Amino acid sequence: QKEVEQDPGPLSVPEGAIVSLNCTYSNSAFQYFMWYRQYSRKGPELLMYTYSSGNKEDGRFTAQVDKSSKYISLFIRDSQPSDSATYLCAIGSQGGSEKLVFGKGTKLTVNP
Amino acid sequence: DADVTQTPRNRITKTGKRIMLECSQTKGHDRMYWYRQDPGLGLRLIYYSFDVKDINKGEISDGYSVSRQAQAKFSLSLESAIPNQTALYFCATRGPTGTEAFFGQGTRLTVV
Repeated sequence: QKEVEQDPGPLSVPEGAIVSLNCTYSNSAFQYFMWYRQYSRKGPELLMYTYSSGNKEDGRFTAQVDKSSKYISLFIRDSQPSDSATYLCAIGSQGGSEKLVFGKGTKLTVNP
Repeated sequence: DADVTQTPRNRITKTGKRIMLECSQTKGHDRMYWYRQDPGLGLRLIYYSFDVKDINKGEISDGYSVSRQAQAKFSLSLESAIPNQTALYFCATRGPTGTEAFFGQGTRLTVV
């Protein structure tokens, strides 16, 4: 079983739509969760970081973590063409075998 | 100036040639990483280093070597390049455990 699974898409939505991006993970040792945004030919940039279950909101973006289900989501409200990018989830563990694992990314296109 | 700088940004090389990709950072982080990114495969960890004297293999280290010349510099070498090493390569840094990774802009390597 892979440590983190992410639907690669691609996902195409009209401008203004609500977008939902998701990842599942297999190991309950993972304790912190991130979403990165990667524009074409650029390096990934951190979008959201959360440590606990529940929701974290930043502008049009909401990160949601459900540790009991090992499921994380990123919601984008009022999506814009500038949101067109690949979104990668990343999950991390601490302690002796500290690691950071990335999903394969979901490519999102927001059409004007 | 970027916090994590990779050189070169693009490189075309021939099969069998030795090539070095360089990474430098101004974030003062101890942890540095090399990833490669391929369509459909996501980010895969090649090597990582937690300090100058600590080098570790990642999941796909065969055919690669690294050198940590200083806290701020971490280079990746392909001793004898082969076409299936054609990919986008990223350097990343991290601060203390539990913190996010910061990525460079990437090096697009083509082996012909």
